[in-house]
Amino acid sequence: DAGVTQSPTHLIKTRGQQVTLRCSPKSGHDTVSWYQQALGQGPQFIFQYYEEEERQRGNFPDRFSGHQFPNYSSELNVNALLLGDSALYLCASSFLDPKGGHNEQFFGPGTRLTVL
Amino acid sequence: DAKTTQPPSMDCAEGRAANLPCNHSTISGNEYVYWYRQIHSQGPQYIIHGLKNNETNEMASLIITEDRKSSTLILPHATLRDTAVYYCIVGSSNTGKLIFGQGTTLQVKP
Repeated sequence: DAGVTQSPTHLIKTRGQQVTLRCSPKSGHDTVSWYQQALGQGPQFIFQYYEEEERQRGNFPDRFSGHQFPNYSSELNVNALLLGDSALYLCASSFLDPKGGHNEQFFGPGTRLTVL
Repeated sequence: DAKTTQPPSMDCAEGRAANLPCNHSTISGNEYVYWYRQIHSQGPQYIIHGLKNNETNEMASLIITEDRKSSTLILPHATLRDTAVYYCIVGSSNTGKLIFGQGTTLQVKP
């Protein structure tokens, strides 16, 4: 089992551009969450996808959007990039228990985005 | 979700127990305490969780006070590979939004 995989590993963009990050969940997982981690800070929740729908959303502007595919993989899109979007973007997957259980979230290694 | 408070940094000698405290005085009755850690340049890794009873697994032990306002994560025999940022998180589920604070940077020294 490859665990959670993310691509690309590193990315450099300029202000105003658009970026797409990709995530493949751990085998057997159906839920994908995205987090942004600025340097020296803890990860901040962006949103979560389940059954191809956005299930929860954190306090991020509409420039941040996502998608989940039938095979449970997911994309994070960021439009009109700002310098402040430079961060490590983490993807986490889990199996959603309808009863609200405690299946742990497995995190990928992240994509390091630098906006110049 | 309840907020947590952790010391920014701690040191521990290799082979000794590392005790990482966390305050969560506003925790509500249906909220659990979760611990994750993040080794440099990697994604966070789940360690353990608990509601009100003490818990132990192959990685660590979790001690929760009777009033549930604080907890301690114990790594019984710390190794250099345990050097990481440790996050204490309070929430009703491990599969939804996780609210990370600043965490505690644990430095295990030889």
